[in-house]
Amino acid sequence: EDQVTQSPEALRLQEGESSSLNCSYTVSGLRGLFWYRQDPGKGPEFLFTLYSAGEEKEKERLKATLTKKESFLHITAPKPEDSATYLCAVTLLGGYNKLIFGAGTRLAVHP
Amino acid sequence: KAGVTQTPRYLIKTRGQQVTLSCSPISGHRSVSWYQQTPGQGLQFLFEYFSETQRNKGNFPGRFSGRQFSNSRSEMNVSTLELGDSALYLCASSLRTGGYEQYFGPGTRLTVT
Repeated sequence: EDQVTQSPEALRLQEGESSSLNCSYTVSGLRGLFWYRQDPGKGPEFLFTLYSAGEEKEKERLKATLTKKESFLHITAPKPEDSATYLCAVTLLGGYNKLIFGAGTRLAVHP
Repeated sequence: KAGVTQTPRYLIKTRGQQVTLSCSPISGHRSVSWYQQTPGQGLQFLFEYFSETQRNKGNFPGRFSGRQFSNSRSEMNVSTLELGDSALYLCASSLRTGGYEQYFGPGTRLTVT
């Protein structure tokens, strides 16, 4: 069964304390891996798409990397406004645009 | 460029009723997907429409249906509502299908009493 697992479930950081979120996947054939940010009561906000092992993408304090079994979302010197739930999802070969989501990591950044 | 819009934003329905939710994709986007989000199950795929054809369907009962119009706008319908259908229903649009980036709308919060 195709599965996406995120860890940790929740993470509390001090402002400026860098860390990484993990997304591991077990799928029949990976087409792409996606990272989203979701604030309470809102729809997920697109962050990154990764298609190949070794690929990296950056945006402000966030950097996403991909290997053959997992992806990391690195957060450098986070600020309180980075507090949100970060969701990882995959699409499969032949699966059109169907996203299979992990349960998410709830990040809280304290001043 | 306007984002994905969903209407209505909030709905309260009674068990046994039916409901129709609407989604307008980003201009030029031809793929629309629907997802259900609940605290217990997280985000689950309902179905995807591309060029007015359903391309993929998730593991939901036949009470959940959808359609897409020639202008790419989409609707989803839930008949014979159950308490367990209470959820945030999200619509996402993409330029094309085949595993490309998707942009989500704000969602419709459905409460079934």
